[in-house]
Amino acid sequence: AQKVTQAQTEISVVEKEDVTLDCVYETRDTTYYLFWYKQPPSGELVFLIRRNSFDEQNEISGRYSWNFQKSTSSFNFTITASQVVDSAVYFCALSERGNYGGSQGNLIFGKGTKLSVKP
Amino acid sequence: DAGITQSPRYKITETGRQVTLMCHQTWSHSYMFWYRQDLGHGLRLIYYSAAADITDKGEVPDGYVVSRSKTENFPLTLESATRSQTSVYFCASSEKKADSPLHFGNGTRLTVT
Repeated sequence: AQKVTQAQTEISVVEKEDVTLDCVYETRDTTYYLFWYKQPPSGELVFLIRRNSFDEQNEISGRYSWNFQKSTSSFNFTITASQVVDSAVYFCALSERGNYGGSQGNLIFGKGTKLSVKP
Repeated sequence: DAGITQSPRYKITETGRQVTLMCHQTWSHSYMFWYRQDLGHGLRLIYYSAAADITDKGEVPDGYVVSRSKTENFPLTLESATRSQTSVYFCASSEKKADSPLHFGNGTRLTVT
């Protein structure tokens, strides 16, 4: 079965600290896609990144970086020098396998990690 | 404006009533989805649609009905609302399978009393 686990329910840090949000996934597919979404207090869901299973290069975007490791089935997200505006719930997601193989377009979401950054 | 819009933003209804949540997208995306978000459960898929007139059940479809007569619209109907359907509902769309990110609407907060 496919599954996404975000073991950290809530994290609280002080501004300028680095913080890593963990994501572990389960899938039997050899081709799959991983995503991170941000949900700020205003409630909308914002797409952050997509990574396919064949690309294990780490990605950096400003203060955000992602570490994808197939060996440990993890796709962790690090925020460097956190800011108050980073306070949000962050979701990791996996493309869902269809009944007949291949993706059906849906995403399986973890339960989210609530990040609070205090000034 | 281009994008995906949900209406209403907030809705209060009584147990047993029928209620329809609307979703409209202007990108002509093939795929559309309905999720519900509940504390402790994250986002769970209710129904999805690969194209007009093609819909399929997700993880938690019971008590819900969808239709997709036009590509841009994907309404979600609660036929007889129950308190357990109190939730935040998100509609999403995507261009194609697998590698396309989902683009979400702003959500509808539904309370069933």
